[in-house]
Amino acid sequence: DAGITQSPRHKVTETGTPVTLRCHQTENHRYMYWYRQDPGHGLRLIHYSYGVKDTDKGEVSDGYSVSRSKTEDFLLTLESATSSQTSVYFCAISGEGPNGYTFGSGTRLTVV
Amino acid sequence: GEDVEQSLFLSVREGDSSVINCTYTDSSSTYLYWYKQEPGAGLQLLTYIFSNMDMKQDQRLTVLLNKKDKHLSLRIADTQTGDSAIYFCAEKADSWGKLQFGAGTQVVVTP
Repeated sequence: DAGITQSPRHKVTETGTPVTLRCHQTENHRYMYWYRQDPGHGLRLIHYSYGVKDTDKGEVSDGYSVSRSKTEDFLLTLESATSSQTSVYFCAISGEGPNGYTFGSGTRLTVV
Repeated sequence: GEDVEQSLFLSVREGDSSVINCTYTDSSSTYLYWYKQEPGAGLQLLTYIFSNMDMKQDQRLTVLLNKKDKHLSLRIADTQTGDSAIYFCAEKADSWGKLQFGAGTQVVVTP
């Protein structure tokens, strides 16, 4: 998607290992978000950021941490991956005004 | 807290109109959105409507907003197979832009 990239696109990891997902934007937007998408649950907000070093928890933040040291990068870390964290993770960005979010293409994470 | 609800599935024949419905609870919502997600992809913004509007039309898409009933709908005219996707309704729940999403409606277009 234009202006926002997620890496990696796919990852398989073992239970108990730490995992970091990266979201990078070139739009200079202030707000960034991490969601997970699971069948039957739609999109659930994990963490969000409203500026450099300003982050807050979403509805499903347990087991996840984030960092935003630069405007363009928002990192999501699974401190000790569990099978329940197998999911598709989406990053989104937004600026001021009515234009909503721009989403990345997603990271498919499998914890075995 | 805020809640956005959608029906989970809609089947429609190619060439017919599709209507996807959504209800929301936050009466202070300023903008309401429709997103489309194709398989293996992220969500793509289709259209949005400001809360002081009743209707917005954009080519084959018509959005209707009933603020009294907190009901939002998306009509797709002349539905095509390429319209098969998951459609998400969302409301702007915070003044600075955090969106609340529905669970998504899976639309399947049959020939």
